[in-house]
Amino acid sequence: GQNIDQPTEMTATEGAIVQINCTYQTSGFNGLFWYQQHAGEAPTFLSYNVLDGLEEKGRFSSFLSRSKGYSYLLLKELQMKDSASYLCAVRDRTNAGKSTFGDGTTLTVKP
Amino acid sequence: NAGVTQTPKFRVLKTGQSMTLLCAQDMNHEYMYWYRQDPGMGLRLIHYSVGEGTTAKGEVPDGYNVSRLKKQNFLLGLESAAPSQTSVYFCASSLNTETVSYEQYFGPGTRLTVT
Repeated sequence: GQNIDQPTEMTATEGAIVQINCTYQTSGFNGLFWYQQHAGEAPTFLSYNVLDGLEEKGRFSSFLSRSKGYSYLLLKELQMKDSASYLCAVRDRTNAGKSTFGDGTTLTVKP
Repeated sequence: NAGVTQTPKFRVLKTGQSMTLLCAQDMNHEYMYWYRQDPGMGLRLIHYSVGEGTTAKGEVPDGYNVSRLKKQNFLLGLESAAPSQTSVYFCASSLNTETVSYEQYFGPGTRLTVT
């Protein structure tokens, strides 16, 4: 099975930088995804890491350390529209394509 | 491309009633999934399918059945609805293979209330 932990809530200021952490335990790691979900909407894909290191995509970056079972999502130059829930999901190679989702981190961006 | 669509968007059922939720995707994806999301929680996998004619149980399958008769459609059935099944249901699809991971594309969700 898998166990995924994320902080429940975070608050940050517009224009600032925020880091959302995700720790996981899995028997056969095969990739980690970050999704963004605005209230009342469907999740949308943000980033994917399968090897150690940093993946950068505009204002968003995601980091992975497989040996530590740890990832973070870094959001720079925060905007009000970044207020959303951020879901960490881990794929286990023993489970034929399934990903297990964390409970999500609700980020509130304040002016 | 419409992506992933779900029908209906909202539904209210009485306890004991049955219903079917329809998911359709036009991206030729092999993998399809049904999740439920309860307030303040992440997505929990109900059932999934790795190809036409195949289905498998996820994390919370009890009380639900599924069918994948056509590659583009994945149906979720509630045989006898219970208040505990009040939730938002999301369908998703992906290009996954056994060894390569791809992101999931989600439908807009179905908000189901069971009274």
